[in-house]
Amino acid sequence: ETGVTQTPRHLVMGMTNKKSLKCEQHLGHNAMYWYKQSAKKPLELMFVYSLEERVENNSVPSRFSPECPNSSHLFLHLHTLQPEDSALYLCASSQDLGLLRGTEAFFGQGTRLTVV
Amino acid sequence: AQKITQTQPGMFVQEKEAVTLDCTYDTSDPSYGLFWYKQPSSGEMIFLIYQGSYDQQNATEGRYSLNFQKARKSANLVISASQLGDSAMYFCAMREEVSGGSYIPTFGRGTSLIVHP
Repeated sequence: ETGVTQTPRHLVMGMTNKKSLKCEQHLGHNAMYWYKQSAKKPLELMFVYSLEERVENNSVPSRFSPECPNSSHLFLHLHTLQPEDSALYLCASSQDLGLLRGTEAFFGQGTRLTVV
Repeated sequence: AQKITQTQPGMFVQEKEAVTLDCTYDTSDPSYGLFWYKQPSSGEMIFLIYQGSYDQQNATEGRYSLNFQKARKSANLVISASQLGDSAMYFCAMREEVSGGSYIPTFGRGTSLIVHP
């Protein structure tokens, strides 16, 4: 148990559906991340929030919409997804966006998303 | 261009033996941090070890040690006395500055480690 909780663990959705992924951390961390992990690809950084403000958006399609209402919660809203968006979506948090020891990211167990 | 390179897609090791997982990185930033994570089949990424670019000594955490060779830009993970529970994907990651004092990690493709009894 790393202190980062993601729900749901598994999600199957149609291309016309709207769904949301939820991430929650009570570690007192200030930075939260969304990563996408596809088969045979490196872990792809999607979004980074620091103190509830988005600091990084890695050219992610607009069908993925993040929301960070407070420092403990991060959402990823999904709409009109494509089958190639099927992947494991990992949420992570870290103390801050610094460099020193202690800023390692703690990950949730991920949401396995299948788009049909 | 790939910033983190893990050239071994898969590695096998006998239980109780040591194994080295390779990682090379590319950066022009003098300040950076290197991390290793383990991802078991459950999907969760577990932090293992950290090495700062200015750290003089190689990092160690229990059975994990990081063989940091700065001039060669390599940060290999050494697992001593392998256990069956070490079977997992292992990811090397680097934090480097992206903007205004923010450091964000990027990950390599990972190495699958299988420990045989």
